[in-house]
Amino acid sequence: SQTIHQWPATLVQPVGSPLSLECTVEGTSNPNLYWYRQAAGRGLQLLFYSVGIGQISSEVPQNLSASRPQDRQFILSSKKLLLSDSGFYLCAWERLQGIPAVYEQYFGPGTRLTVT
Amino acid sequence: QKEVEQNSGPLSVPEGAIASLNCTYSDRGSQSFFWYRQYSGKSPELIMFIYSNGDKEDGRFTAQLNKASQYVSLLIRDSQPSDSATYLCAVNEYSSASKIIFGSGTRLSIRP
Repeated sequence: SQTIHQWPATLVQPVGSPLSLECTVEGTSNPNLYWYRQAAGRGLQLLFYSVGIGQISSEVPQNLSASRPQDRQFILSSKKLLLSDSGFYLCAWERLQGIPAVYEQYFGPGTRLTVT
Repeated sequence: QKEVEQNSGPLSVPEGAIASLNCTYSDRGSQSFFWYRQYSGKSPELIMFIYSNGDKEDGRFTAQLNKASQYVSLLIRDSQPSDSATYLCAVNEYSSASKIIFGSGTRLSIRP
């Protein structure tokens, strides 16, 4: 079965510091991977998605970046955090199944980031 | 701007009753529709999806889709206190990779 991991689970960082969040998926190969952010009391905002190693699409211009160095690894980074970067960061992997085919997304446990 | 709209709630329902959660979407080209449950402080978990007009049942949950009205709903029968959570409606927009657009969620509270 497939499992998705994220770390760290919680993080408190000062403004201007760098950021690196990691997501790994087990039990599947070449998954589509996604980074979302959820601000307090808000919906999910798609940040980046990747269909393969080195392939990153950005949805929202901001001071964050993403990389996919390996098939099942997805990293979210920032060189200098802003207060507005606080939120719950969720990684998701996608499965295509059924007839007709439907894409289903499954989320990792998330990283709660507080920028102070 | 493609949108998915939900009433933020809270929706309070007595234990054992039917909870009805609603969602509307703006893109007529949307092809599949999802309901996620999110407990406070946790990540969303997929409950069910639907892609055809009509009803789809899974245990105590029934998803309903009306593409002409651009309307999706989730019914929870025999509501339990453990159903208290935020329910996210999501709509799939196909592209090179699927990009699911999420509503902001409806907070459901089941009172004993």
